[in-house]
Amino acid sequence: QVQLQESGPGLVKASETLSLTCTVSGYTISSGYYWGWIRQPPGKGLEWIGNIYYSGSTYYNPSLKSRVIISVDTSKNQFSLKLSSVTAADTAVYYCARVHSSGYCDSWGQGTLVTVSS
Amino acid sequence: DIQMTQSPSTLSASVGDRVTITCRASQTVSRWLAWYQQKPGKAPKLLISEASILESGVPSRFSGSGSGTEFTLTISSLQPDDFATYSCQQYNSFPYTFGQGTKLEIK
Repeated sequence: QVQLQESGPGLVKASETLSLTCTVSGYTISSGYYWGWIRQPPGKGLEWIGNIYYSGSTYYNPSLKSRVIISVDTSKNQFSLKLSSVTAADTAVYYCARVHSSGYCDSWGQGTLVTVSS
Repeated sequence: DIQMTQSPSTLSASVGDRVTITCRASQTVSRWLAWYQQKPGKAPKLLISEASILESGVPSRFSGSGSGTEFTLTISSLQPDDFATYSCQQYNSFPYTFGQGTKLEIK
């Protein structure tokens, strides 16, 4: 059974870069599926950040595209998120997820709260 | 972007009740719609994909219907474990978008 686990700093200073890694176990990333990042600000709904295929092809939400990089490391069975120039509006629980080829998320990490401080 | 609007935002119900949550899309998403259940402090859990396909292991009291711009999630007989927040997601076109969530509370 696939499991995903987010890791990274829980506190990031404004204007700096948020960096998170998702480690996948129970499934080999290069076997297929897409791999995505979704976030949820406190008390709000979910927002799709972007996703990546094991080959490296990516999709980014246009609202974040200028600040986002998602990458994959198949040797470590991990994929990562970098979000630059963060502000308080980027404070959220960040989830990594396995994304079915049609676009829904069938497995999720537990989520990690990232707070942007001024 | 396709906007997803859920109603109601909050729903109070009792164990054994039949409840329905509605999700409307600002433009057609065909049947490319998923429903998730989320409990406080936990990740979303996939319940239904392609508008009506029940995920393996999800109780049969959950069902989904609809196509185009209007969709419903129905719980036929509420159980104590069902009190949670439910969200829809369209995956017809990028960027994929979610509804704001419907909180199902105990009456």
